[in-house]
Amino acid sequence: NAGVTQTPKFQVLKTGQSMTLQCAQDMNHEYMSWYRQDPGMGLRLIHYSVGAGITDQGEVPNGYNVSRSTTEDFPLRLLSAAPSQTSVYFCASSWDSANNEQFFGPGTRLTVL
Amino acid sequence: GQQLNQSPQSMFIQEGEDVSMNCTSSSIFNTWLWYKQDPGEGPVLLIALYKAGELTSNGRLTAQFGITRKDSFLNISASIPSDVGIYFCAGQFGDSGYALNFGKGTSLLVTP
Repeated sequence: NAGVTQTPKFQVLKTGQSMTLQCAQDMNHEYMSWYRQDPGMGLRLIHYSVGAGITDQGEVPNGYNVSRSTTEDFPLRLLSAAPSQTSVYFCASSWDSANNEQFFGPGTRLTVL
Repeated sequence: GQQLNQSPQSMFIQEGEDVSMNCTSSSIFNTWLWYKQDPGEGPVLLIALYKAGELTSNGRLTAQFGITRKDSFLNISASIPSDVGIYFCAGQFGDSGYALNFGKGTSLLVTP
């Protein structure tokens, strides 16, 4: 198994540009989530999904959209990038909410100029 | 989300020393997880705790789920240079649904 994969690994955007961060898992996990990590802030939940077709907001959802059309994929979209969205983004997955041992991808380092 | 207080913020120790770090919360948690993050990588799960009072070991690592369900600690015995990294606690509390709340991390440096 490849586990949780994320692309791209690095990205630089200009303010106002849009882009999609990709996340995929091959473990047939129901639960997937997106976090952002900023210095001194730990990891903060952006959006999560408990299964295909179901998504919900986390702690810091503004400026981000998600969709879950398949069990495997959970893309994160930035509609109009802002410098405040400069961060490292991690995707994670787990079997379900009862077993919340989340497995993390390697991260995407995003810089918005 | 609920605030987790993780301490210490950083530790600088010599190889062979034991290490202890902890997390506290104002809310009762159902689950406590401990992760390690190496530079440029995603967090990796070390230990998961699901019951109050539970004590679990993973090699040189030992973690406990506090009796009050509001705290957890992680001990590392006989530290080695590859223990260097950032350690995060994470918890899931009753009304949070599926969300995990993370502490701000403990940065561990080990000198040979």
